This record gives sequence, C-alpha cells and structure tokens, in this order.
Amino acid sequence: SAVISQKPSRDICQRGTSLTIQCQVDSQVTMMFWYRQQPGQSLTLIATANQGSEATYESGFVIDKFPISRPNLTFSTLTVSNMSPEDSSIYLCSVVLGYEQFFGPGTRLTVL
Amino acid sequence: RKEVEQDPGPFNVPEGATVAFNCTYSNSASQSFFWYRQDCRKEPKLLMSVYSSGNEDGRFTAQLNRASQYISLLIRDSKLSDSATYLCVVRGNTGKLIFGQGTTLQVKP
Repeated sequence: SAVISQKPSRDICQRGTSLTIQCQVDSQVTMMFWYRQQPGQSLTLIATANQGSEATYESGFVIDKFPISRPNLTFSTLTVSNMSPEDSSIYLCSVVLGYEQFFGPGTRLTVL
Repeated sequence: RKEVEQDPGPFNVPEGATVAFNCTYSNSASQSFFWYRQDCRKEPKLLMSVYSSGNEDGRFTAQLNRASQYISLLIRDSKLSDSATYLCVVRGNTGKLIFGQGTTLQVKP
C-alpha cells in the first residue's frame, strides 16, 4: 500500500490569495493525481501530474488557476490561485500502486 | 447524463439488515469497476473491485453486468461500523477514475 501525507490538513484563506498544498508519497510513482471534492459532492479529477513534464488538466481546470509542480517521483504540489469562496473544497492527492488507487487524507480549504 | 450514477440515498437501515446499492455507467468502453468507502471527513478507500463473475468478500458482494452497464453492492448483516458513503467508481478507457456521487448508509441500532 501507499502512505500519502498532505500539508496543510486544513486552512482558512481570504479571497484573492493563493494556497499551495503539498503531497508526499512513501513510494516512487509515475503519476500523481489531484482531485477536488466540493461539499456534499463526489470527487472530480483536476489534473494528472507527471514527473518531468507538464501536468495534464481536465476540462474546466486550467494551469493558471491550479498550477502544479512535480519535482520528483514522491512529491507534488497543487496551488489554488486567486481564491474565491467557490474554491472552498477538499483537495486530495492520489496515486496508483499496483492495481489500487490510494488517496491522501485531503486538505480542507475554506475561502472567506 | 452523468458518467456514473448512483442511488442518491441516504439509506437508513437497522443493524442486521441487508442493503443493496446500485450504480450505472454510461461508457461501454469502461475497463474496471470498484466500490470505495468514504467515512465522514476521511479520504476514500478501496472496498472491493468488481468483476463480471461477481465477487464476495465476507458480508459484501459486488456484481457487474456489462450488458446493462450496471454495478451493484450488497451488504448483508449490516453493522453500525458499515455507516459511511459508498462510492461507485469506474475506470474509463483513458485510465482515469470516474466517481459516482456516492450513497450514504446509516446503520442504526
């Protein structure tokens, strides 16, 4: 199995600011995924982060709003830029190890 | 139409009851199917994979009907600890996981 940690676990931010979320995995993985889970909703994939190349974004998500870094095979960051209250959500990173997909504990973001 | 649709719930059942959740998916090229469990304020965790032949893990039975694009999860002898949200998850032909909205189960004493 994979052990995934995320920082911060939660934050309350003012609109217009940015927050960078860190994800650390205890195994080397090719792809890391970033998801968003809005209140009462299921998970939506934001982007796939590959080491050594640009992240691949899903429809409705853009790099300017959600820049991603992937400096090595065990670490990634997601930045939520120029935040608005609509960005209030749980952000989860995820990896595939073997046939199973594992999720980090999530970062609970509230934008005022 | 959503790519993965589930019974919205919530399901409120007494301990010991049998409860079934249903899920349909729209992409006939979908390759893999799963049920995940998500406890309140926690991350999703894999409950079981779903195979065409059906599979059972203790009190949990999952079924897949590819012709009808239908997935089910049956929980027998419900326990209080089964209370959670159950997510139907499909891996599409692009390799990405697509999540249903989840069905909330509340088992009461």
